[in-house]
Amino acid sequence: GQQVMQIPQYQHVQEGEDFTTYCNSSTTLSNIQWYKQRPGGHPVFLIQLVKSGEVKKQKRLTFQFGEAKKNSSLHITATQTTDVGTYFCAGPLGQGAQKLVFGQGTRLTINP
Amino acid sequence: GAGVSQSPRYKVTKRGQDVTLRCDPISSHATLYWYQQALGQGPEFLTYFNYEAQPDKSGLPSDRFSAERPEGSISTLTIQRTEQRDSAMYRCASSLVGFQETQYFGPGTRLLVL
Repeated sequence: GQQVMQIPQYQHVQEGEDFTTYCNSSTTLSNIQWYKQRPGGHPVFLIQLVKSGEVKKQKRLTFQFGEAKKNSSLHITATQTTDVGTYFCAGPLGQGAQKLVFGQGTRLTINP
Repeated sequence: GAGVSQSPRYKVTKRGQDVTLRCDPISSHATLYWYQQALGQGPEFLTYFNYEAQPDKSGLPSDRFSAERPEGSISTLTIQRTEQRDSAMYRCASSLVGFQETQYFGPGTRLLVL
């Protein structure tokens, strides 16, 4: 079936190091959304990318949408302890793209 | 309301009992979603509503699961004859209209079936 895959599943970094998570879809997406879930919390919307090749920045976070609109990445520069959490990508899939399908997430832990 | 609320926050039940979970979306939001999230996994789509219409039930795991949104605002998710494998976090989210819009998640209901 149509899927959204994320790698890596886990990432542990030293504070100050960079972090990247990658998202791949089995089919072309009309858009991709990124969410962050803090430990014990709920998913919180970060950003939506719509255009092929789009790059958006939020302070130390850089989001990219691939040219073929089938992959995306989130890069965090100089991680801080506040970045700890699980990062999910999600895309509308299914018949008529009426389902938001989430990747399994990348759990980021940081050594202060 | 200011955000999406869900109740109860925790529910412990015995196998075979019925449970009903409630979601109160953001008041201006037409679309409401139910997800099941297992530990260490992403939210998995169960069903959604546009106002009171329920266009897609395909994610509901079995006919023991049902959802309602009779007046287009508050929604309930009912699990009949609960089984241990139903234990999970059940999350509700809402958006203005449709999947292209930002989804705002509630705190979830953690269900434990003994």
